[in-house]
Amino acid sequence: DIQMTQSPASLSASLGETVTIECRASEDIYNGLAWYQQKPGKSPQLLIYNANSLHTGVPSRFSGSGSGTQYSLKINSLQSEDVASYFCQQYYDYPYTFGAGTKLELK
Amino acid sequence: EVQLVESGGGLVQPGRSLKLSCAASGFTFSNYGMAWVCQAPTKGLEWVASISTGGGNTYYRDSVKGRFTISRDNAKNTLYLQMDSLRSEDTATYYCARHGYYSVMDAWGQGASVTVSS
Repeated sequence: DIQMTQSPASLSASLGETVTIECRASEDIYNGLAWYQQKPGKSPQLLIYNANSLHTGVPSRFSGSGSGTQYSLKINSLQSEDVASYFCQQYYDYPYTFGAGTKLELK
Repeated sequence: EVQLVESGGGLVQPGRSLKLSCAASGFTFSNYGMAWVCQAPTKGLEWVASISTGGGNTYYRDSVKGRFTISRDNAKNTLYLQMDSLRSEDTATYYCARHGYYSVMDAWGQGASVTVSS
């Protein structure tokens, strides 16, 4: 199985700040990488697919990058509504696997 | 508007069975692969199973192989997860999700809670 190592586990940032979340795969996943946002008590929502493609309706302050085994999610100009947990997920091969998540809070 | 609505969750004893349903609307159900993803209390997400558009291909995580069965009824726009021989470690919220372009999960239901306990 492909292991997804996500960091940091938690993050505290101020409004307007830029934050970056990293995800490392145990093998090359050829950009088969998605990022999801999950707000407390809600279901996950797709943000990014194919490592760097923005899902419909997602604000442009979210962006994804990376290749091979290393990927990252960047949030520019942090807003209060961005407080949530974020998960990476590889869909290059079954079984699909998720990172452990990053909990983003406001400082 | 794409909608996925799960039902069938609840409290069940270890070793018993439960069947989850997911009613889909707002899109052509038969054109999309579908999946189940679970999340144990205060934990992360785990993919459980996926099924192809016609139901002919199914995929499972190792821990549920032989115990869970994913299926679909395209005439009823409904996805199912038959869960047999349930264990305490299966306790989680189970989400139904749509496989969109590139198989990414682009729409999710609100989740159904399953608690396995005596």
